[in-house]
Amino acid sequence: DAGVIQSPRHEVTEMGQEVTLRCKPISGHDYLFWYRQTMMRGLELLIYFNNNVPIDDSGMPEDRFSAKMPNASFSTLKIQPSEPRDSAVYFCASSSNRGSTEAFFGQGTRLTVV
Amino acid sequence: AQSVAQPEDQVNVAEGNPLTVKCTYSVSGNPYLFWYVQYPNRGLQFLLKYITGDNLVKGSYGFEAEFNKSQTSFHLKKPSALVSDSALYFCAVRDEGRGRRALTFGSGTRLQVQP
Repeated sequence: DAGVIQSPRHEVTEMGQEVTLRCKPISGHDYLFWYRQTMMRGLELLIYFNNNVPIDDSGMPEDRFSAKMPNASFSTLKIQPSEPRDSAVYFCASSSNRGSTEAFFGQGTRLTVV
Repeated sequence: AQSVAQPEDQVNVAEGNPLTVKCTYSVSGNPYLFWYVQYPNRGLQFLLKYITGDNLVKGSYGFEAEFNKSQTSFHLKKPSALVSDSALYFCAVRDEGRGRRALTFGSGTRLQVQP
């Protein structure tokens, strides 16, 4: 398996624009997580899904953020409208309900909002 | 609520010397504990985990960690550091008793191994 795949790797956008980050989890994994990493706040959980259903979205900063998982192999994190304070590295991770319990992370998307 | 503390922002060690990166945790139930490593501009890579059983767990690249329930600690160790071990290390916890699947991460410790 190629691991968790995120796109794009880098995104630079202007304030007010819509940004969509994409994630393909490892095939067969039941759980998908979105994390955000910043210098000030470290690694924060934004939302996670189990079998495509959102379980906990309490980490989503505000209504400008939304996440979907239309099927087992794809998820999106959307920010609309984007603001400079959203600049961060966004990670997607997935894990299985069977056997190993650790989460496997993608390479991340570095978002810069100017 | 579950939480993790990594008390050191940075650890410096000479190549060939033993290294320790500290981690303490807080959960209400049984902890599942993890260590991850992050190299520049990369995602987090899994190193090792403690679920149950032996308190000393061995992981990738010669790393090991010791689970200490009484001290609620899970320190990462390696007998002989390499320059290539220089990276950012994260400890993480999951409270299995609460059925919450997501990991809570510590703030990270930067390990610098000098040649």
